[in-house]
Amino acid sequence: EPEVTQTPSHQVTQMGQEVILRCVPISNHLYFYWYRQILGQKVEFLVSFYNNEISEKSEIFDDQFSVERPDGSNFTLKIRSTKLEDSAMYFCASSRATGNTEAFFGQGTRLTVV
Amino acid sequence: GENVEQHPSTLSVQEGDSAVIKCTYSDSASNYFPWYKQELGKRPQLIIDIRSNVGEKKDQRIAVTLNKTAKHFSLHITETQPEDSAVYFCAASRAGANNLFFGTGTRLTVIP
Repeated sequence: EPEVTQTPSHQVTQMGQEVILRCVPISNHLYFYWYRQILGQKVEFLVSFYNNEISEKSEIFDDQFSVERPDGSNFTLKIRSTKLEDSAMYFCASSRATGNTEAFFGQGTRLTVV
Repeated sequence: GENVEQHPSTLSVQEGDSAVIKCTYSDSASNYFPWYKQELGKRPQLIIDIRSNVGEKKDQRIAVTLNKTAKHFSLHITETQPEDSAVYFCAASRAGANNLFFGTGTRLTVIP
């Protein structure tokens, strides 16, 4: 069964450093997403991406964040200058279509900012 | 924006009993309500979903009910088994929207 894969599984970074979280969505999916989950809190939407551009983003997704699909398979989330409060589990997801269709999640990247 | 509330945060049941998890939502434009199961250290996986044109959907031991008027939906698991132990998340999204709004999760423990 096809899966969304994320690397790395755990990333530790110093405050102020840039990090790039990587995702390989399911190959025939067209919509890609990033969510995050701060420990003990709910999963929160960050951004969705379709046709090589951002289609929606939340207020969390400020200028420190960016997404890119650098080639035909990878989908990345970059945090330019990490803050302590960026520590969270980051989930990538993909879906075949928009709206009322299943989103398949990756296993997550746990980002720890120290 | 949409606000999804989920209760209870933890739930323990004896094996074979039923479990019910409830969610409410605030945006009347929401029309898609998936439920995800997340086992420890694993990815969230869709277990059942319901769209606003139906009031109930069942898949073997799992059922979901939706009350659009009251803006709440519930997950029902019957004949629970130890492998049902996990964190369950409800979510909601609007027609044509890409993003899911999640509840805070319910940690279900099935005691053998």
